[in-house]
Amino acid sequence: AQSVTQPDIHITVSEGASLELRCNYSYGATPYLFWYVQSPGQGLQLLLKYFSGDTLVQGIKGFEAEFKRSQSSFNLRKPSVHWSDAAEYFCAVGPYSGSARQLTFGSGTQLTVLP
Amino acid sequence: SQTIHQWPATLVQPVGSPLSLECTVEGTSNPNLYWYRQAAGRGLQLLFYSVGIGQISSEVPQNLSASRPQDRQFILSSKKLLLSDSGFYLCACRDRELSPLHFGNGTRLTVT
Repeated sequence: AQSVTQPDIHITVSEGASLELRCNYSYGATPYLFWYVQSPGQGLQLLLKYFSGDTLVQGIKGFEAEFKRSQSSFNLRKPSVHWSDAAEYFCAVGPYSGSARQLTFGSGTQLTVLP
Repeated sequence: SQTIHQWPATLVQPVGSPLSLECTVEGTSNPNLYWYRQAAGRGLQLLFYSVGIGQISSEVPQNLSASRPQDRQFILSSKKLLLSDSGFYLCACRDRELSPLHFGNGTRLTVT
């Protein structure tokens, strides 16, 4: 069965500092990986996705993520955090084809940005 | 790209009352549609998904049901709400293979 672990429930960083959010997955086949961001009271917005190719993927809002197959990880990074990045972040894994059931989500990491 | 409309945005209902949440999608046809629930401090739980009109798959036994009367309409219902039905309900859409899920803005349901 597929699963996603986000080990950090809550992370606090200062504005301008770098950020890394961890995501570990368990999946029996080629994974299709995603990062979503959710602002309070809003739906989820896709930041980036990875299926194949370059293991470092660029997303919106200056975010990037690196796929490491040997570590079963897909960590999200940003070089310099802005106050508007405060939100909850979700990692997800799913099949690239053949299943409408779609994604398994991690439990999320809440990001607080200090001025 | 598709746009997902969900309403209402917030809802307060007493225990035992019925529920109907509606989701409509624009900008695509024959999408896969999904209902997720998000409880406070927890991740997303898939409740139902649909690959076509009248085709509903249930992921979790519960007090809720879903229907898809039209290609781009997905409805979440309950005959009698429980306190445990409180949460944030999200509708999502996937328009083709290898495309990611796109989410609506959600409905905050509070059962009192």
